[in-house]
Amino acid sequence: DVKVTQSSRYLVKRTGEKVFLECVQDMDHENMFWYRQDPGLGLRLIYFSYDVKMKEKGDIPEGYSVSREKKERFSLILESASTNQTSMYLCASARDTSGNTIYFGEGSWLTVV
Amino acid sequence: DAKTTQPNSMESNEEEPVHLPCNHSTISGTDYIHWYRQLPSQGPEYVIHGLTSNVNNRMASLAIAEDRKSSTLILHRATLRDAAVYYCTHGTGGYQKVTFGIGTKLQVIP
Repeated sequence: DVKVTQSSRYLVKRTGEKVFLECVQDMDHENMFWYRQDPGLGLRLIYFSYDVKMKEKGDIPEGYSVSREKKERFSLILESASTNQTSMYLCASARDTSGNTIYFGEGSWLTVV
Repeated sequence: DAKTTQPNSMESNEEEPVHLPCNHSTISGTDYIHWYRQLPSQGPEYVIHGLTSNVNNRMASLAIAEDRKSSTLILHRATLRDAAVYYCTHGTGGYQKVTFGIGTKLQVIP
């Protein structure tokens, strides 16, 4: 079965900390995505990657960076966490995004205090 | 960028059909239309997708307008387990960036 695994389901971090959110997919997909989800705002795309070491900004990249050193792993990095980054973060992957399904992880709930 | 427009919320009585609309006026000729749903405290999951023709699967049906600028997800008999947020989307752009809107929150009334 297809699987996207996010390393942490719930995290609490302090303002100013560096935060890593890890995501692994086992489907050999080229495309991987990071979204954040906030009440009333739906899913907003932060970054996506279409190949190893390749990345593109999404709609809200400010305050975030990403890393894709291996095809199966896509990391989201908050260089200096702030309280307005408290949110649910969703990782997803897809072989391509025209005719193929996007698979999502369970989500990571991040609270910055 | 791909933009979709959906109603924020809809209600349905249990065991009645539900038609969830979506406008996607920026769709390109090769984009597939996908529908996903998100149950509480979970990531979104695939429901159905199509290109031009109407599609059926065990979960739902997808009706696509002839000009492809809109589509409708049809749940033939809503159950309480269908209460979720439903998103429609399509891929666009050179690197296939996919964006989701706010979605439609479906409430099913017993």
